[in-house]
Amino acid sequence: AQSVTQLDSHVSVSEGTPVLLRCNYSSSYSPSLFWYVQHPNKGLQLLLKYTSAATLVKGINGFEAEFKKSETSFHLTKPSAHMSDAAEYFCVVSDREGSGNTGKLIFGQGTTLQVKP
Amino acid sequence: DGGITQSPKYLFRKEGQNVTLSCEQNLNHDAMYWYRQDPGQGLRLIYYSQIVNDFQKGDIAEGYSVSREKKESFPLTVTSAQKNPTAFYLCASWDRRNTGELFFGEGSRLTVL
Repeated sequence: AQSVTQLDSHVSVSEGTPVLLRCNYSSSYSPSLFWYVQHPNKGLQLLLKYTSAATLVKGINGFEAEFKKSETSFHLTKPSAHMSDAAEYFCVVSDREGSGNTGKLIFGQGTTLQVKP
Repeated sequence: DGGITQSPKYLFRKEGQNVTLSCEQNLNHDAMYWYRQDPGQGLRLIYYSQIVNDFQKGDIAEGYSVSREKKESFPLTVTSAQKNPTAFYLCASWDRRNTGELFFGEGSRLTVL
């Protein structure tokens, strides 16, 4: 069965410094992995996704993530944090049965990113 | 613009009352989902539907019901049997054919008084 673990429930950085949000996954198949962002009382927006093409994935707003199969990790990074990056971030793996994707996504517990002036 | 519309955004309910949350999409997606979000617990799947007139229970279906009579619509009813219904509810649809991405609505916050 697939699972995903976000290693930090809360991360605090200063504006202009790098961001690192950590995610480990477990999957019996080649996974599809996603990072979503959620601002308060809003829906989720896709930041980026990995679907077995390039291992370094670039997303919106300057975020990127690297798929490392040997470490079963998919950490999210950004070189320089902006105040508007403060939000909840979810690492997500798609659920698969046999050769098919069920469309069910398995969510991590979320990481709250705080950006200090 | 294509997207998912959830209503109402905020809803208050007395104990013992059923309430229905609306979810409409104009993205022409076959699959739709309902998630519940509680602080510190991520998103948990309530029900999902891969096609019209068909739906399956997710991980926490007890106390909820859904219907899928039209491709565009996937309403969720929170029944009086749901013991702790106060939560943020998110509806999503799946772009199976193209990006594999889930598209989310803005959510509905239900508070039981």
